[in-house]
Amino acid sequence: QSVLTQPPSASGTPGQRVTISCSGSSSNIGSNTVNWYQQLPGTAPKVLIYSNNQWPSGVPDRFSGSKSDTSASLAIRGLQSEDEADYYCAAWDDSQNGWVFGGGTKLTVL
Amino acid sequence: EVQLVQSGAEVKKPGESLKISCKGSGYSFTTYWIGWVRQMPGKGLEWMGIIYPGDSDTRYSPSFQGQVTISADKSISTAYLQWSSLKASDTAMYYCARHSGFPLNHGWFDPWGQGTLVTVSS
Repeated sequence: QSVLTQPPSASGTPGQRVTISCSGSSSNIGSNTVNWYQQLPGTAPKVLIYSNNQWPSGVPDRFSGSKSDTSASLAIRGLQSEDEADYYCAAWDDSQNGWVFGGGTKLTVL
Repeated sequence: EVQLVQSGAEVKKPGESLKISCKGSGYSFTTYWIGWVRQMPGKGLEWMGIIYPGDSDTRYSPSFQGQVTISADKSISTAYLQWSSLKASDTAMYYCARHSGFPLNHGWFDPWGQGTLVTVSS
């Protein structure tokens, strides 16, 4: 059971907008920033969004992040086939004194 | 280019010891934390621990404290993850990743190494 809760799956058709939620608590999302990682099949994870809503260079602005209280969301607009991947949220947890990840959401582009 | 290159895949027997490595290049190795993340087959990401190569300050996840040892040799810009007695349940992909941002609890991991697959089987 992951400390951060994500839906196990999400799907959409090309061009659609999809959102993935991440629910936590006051000891993690509620008091620290949230990062999102994308893991394409057979590859290492890479950061997609950091500090709640910032883009690393090279990440298209079709991806956006937001945070409110103890929850966060990743939105993907203009869905493309190459967005098919696993997505993980992560945050520091003050109780565990370390990083915690969500269980991951498998995004399927129909 | 900032890069982390991990050592190759390992196949070990239960009870054996193992040390895998993660070599950083393209940046000042001693001034960034390096974290380790486990991914068991078909499962999600789990943070194991983190080390600051500059002074070897090391923090462990409660789930991995006492199960693994994280170390670093700053003279060769390399971080390590080691086991003294492997179990079948240690079979997983292990990633190292550089921590960016400040302070520690407000940072993120970027870039990641390519991963080291560890298989433990009798």
